[in-house]
Amino acid sequence: GEDVEQSLFLSVREGDSSVINCTYTDSSSTYLYWYKQEPGAGLQLLTYIFSNMDMKQDQRLTVLLNKKDKHLSLRIADTQTGDSAIYFCPPVPRRGSQGNLIFGKGTKLSVKP
Amino acid sequence: NAGVTQTPKFQVLKTGQSMTLQCAQDMNHEYMSWYRQDPGMGLRLIHYSVGAGITDQGEVPNGYNVSRSTTEDFPLRLLSAAPSQTSVYFCASRRTGGDNQPQHFGDGTRLSIL
Repeated sequence: GEDVEQSLFLSVREGDSSVINCTYTDSSSTYLYWYKQEPGAGLQLLTYIFSNMDMKQDQRLTVLLNKKDKHLSLRIADTQTGDSAIYFCPPVPRRGSQGNLIFGKGTKLSVKP
Repeated sequence: NAGVTQTPKFQVLKTGQSMTLQCAQDMNHEYMSWYRQDPGMGLRLIHYSVGAGITDQGEVPNGYNVSRSTTEDFPLRLLSAAPSQTSVYFCASRRTGGDNQPQHFGDGTRLSIL
């Protein structure tokens, strides 16, 4: 069935780049939305990529999409301590549902000063 | 705009008690949903609604009820709280039932069942 896989943890030093990788089993979404969850808060829309794009840059964020390999990545340049959060790969639609989405478990990014 | 508002932010219950988690959105979104977030489990869908008067079950509906009498409100009821329902609960909404719109999340209700 549908699934989104991503690493649970990532630790980087301040100023380094962070890369969060996702693989998915199937997706027909037109827009692929990344979400960020800061401690004690709900998920917030971070950025997105249109499904017919290979890459999108949004300030310090770069999203790469490889549809052939069903692989997505989010790169954060010059990672800051304020980037510490849980990052959710774009959810995928559950087949046969009325637009219900399957989320991955999220990658917890820890940024060390 | 307030977006998606959840109340209360924190709650402690005893086993067997009932309560309602409130969710309201002011964006006129048709689609609303409830998730629970547990360590190592990610977000799991409890119930959802594609419009006023229409609700349906998600992945983990047992022990929870919902209703959608208005577009704005989507309360989640715990009928008889159990320790397994200790979790963080998130309400979310989006413009249509399709998956091409971003979801807007509330800040969550942190619920502990003793």
